[in-house]
Amino acid sequence: SAVISQKPSRDICQRGTSLTIQCQVDSQVTMMFWYRQQPGQSLTLIATANQGSEATYESGFVIDKFPISRPNLTFSTLTVSNMSPEDSSIYLCSATWGYNSPLHFGNGTRLTVT
Amino acid sequence: SQQGEEDPQALSIQEGENATMNCSYKTSINNLQWYRQNSGRGLVHLILIRSNEREKHSGRLRVTLDTSKKSSSLLITASRAADTASYFCATDDAGGTSYGKLTFGQGTILTVHP
Repeated sequence: SAVISQKPSRDICQRGTSLTIQCQVDSQVTMMFWYRQQPGQSLTLIATANQGSEATYESGFVIDKFPISRPNLTFSTLTVSNMSPEDSSIYLCSATWGYNSPLHFGNGTRLTVT
Repeated sequence: SQQGEEDPQALSIQEGENATMNCSYKTSINNLQWYRQNSGRGLVHLILIRSNEREKHSGRLRVTLDTSKKSSSLLITASRAADTASYFCATDDAGGTSYGKLTFGQGTILTVHP
């Protein structure tokens, strides 16, 4: 199975600042996604990271708040901008290789905003 | 938005007993997947069952899918303390603009007592 490396694993940030999370996959993948998991909750999809073009955002998430890059088939970044305490969550990178294939996840980034 | 509803929300059993978790969903699907999450870390894929399949096994895991009732169940036999985790069902919804984009259920917290 794939290895997905995500960093940082955790961070404590001041409100108003931004944090960029990096996701590296050990082989080329077709689809990459970013999820958010708020404390004690399930996973909510933020966006699909599209290679070489703008990400596709889900309802309730906007590019100005969560800019995403995917310059190639193995790497993506998610930035959480102008953070507030409500952004405190686990952010998870995931990838899949094809139709009817499972998602593989990184270990997540635990973000605390003070 | 969340499609899957899981029950029970929490399950506490003794080692050696079987654990059954149920998942219901609302729309047509390409496949349904089950994941495990330990202590807020990344998710581990357990089983993927396609919409045209009714049952699948993997080791001590058995998954059933009833598309007429839009429901699935995960059975863990002969449970172990190491099975203690949160379990999520997730659906890859048919008719979407891309594949691999999963909608997660609320999860079941399983505790297995030694």
